[in-house]
Amino acid sequence: DTEVTQTPKHLVMGMTNKKSLKCEQHMGHRAMYWYKQKAKKPPELMFVYSYEKLSINESVPSRFSPECPNSSLLNLHLHALQPEDSALYLCASSQAKGELAANTGELFFGEGSRLTVL
Amino acid sequence: GENVEQHPSTLSVQEGDSAVIKCTYSDSASNYFPWYKQELGKGPQLIIDIRSNVGEKKDQRIAVTLNKTAKHFSLHITETQPEDSAVYFCAASYNTNAGKSTFGDGTTLTVKP
Repeated sequence: DTEVTQTPKHLVMGMTNKKSLKCEQHMGHRAMYWYKQKAKKPPELMFVYSYEKLSINESVPSRFSPECPNSSLLNLHLHALQPEDSALYLCASSQAKGELAANTGELFFGEGSRLTVL
Repeated sequence: GENVEQHPSTLSVQEGDSAVIKCTYSDSASNYFPWYKQELGKGPQLIIDIRSNVGEKKDQRIAVTLNKTAKHFSLHITETQPEDSAVYFCAASYNTNAGKSTFGDGTTLTVKP
């Protein structure tokens, strides 16, 4: 069982809707990530939070808005999406640079939220 | 930036045979090379990784080899089982900067019983 929990597992939304994806981890990781994965493709990095601060935004359109309320939670707010945004959205966590524990570099992925935009 | 090429894109083997997946990378500064397995409907899971100060690492039926000079690394699965069927991704990053890992395009492995 994954230690990164994502909700909802499936989401269907219209182009005018506002919805949110949620991610939670209790491994004490201080780095959290959002990835987008299209069918038969590798995950594409969208955002990185390190110590609850946004450290990387891979030129993601503003219709995707990340939020990290605390060290265990990561949200992705969705608004005015396009059909081409339909994909599997994966959350991941890892130890962050500077943490006292040895940084293994391993990414722990959730099972993803499958988003369909109509 | 880093570029990772992965081959083959699909691989079909008979149960009990070995499977080998190869990746090449472009940035000589990369020093962390994980392999992820993604089963249908699930997120990727790390199955083995290797760092640039090691040439080979083994964990039961899975092994990874790294050739820093040639900038390539390979995943070897022996005595394959149907439950090994999945998509496998290699990745490369610098200094365990996991979030900036560059992934290969993936290999769909099918193990026929």
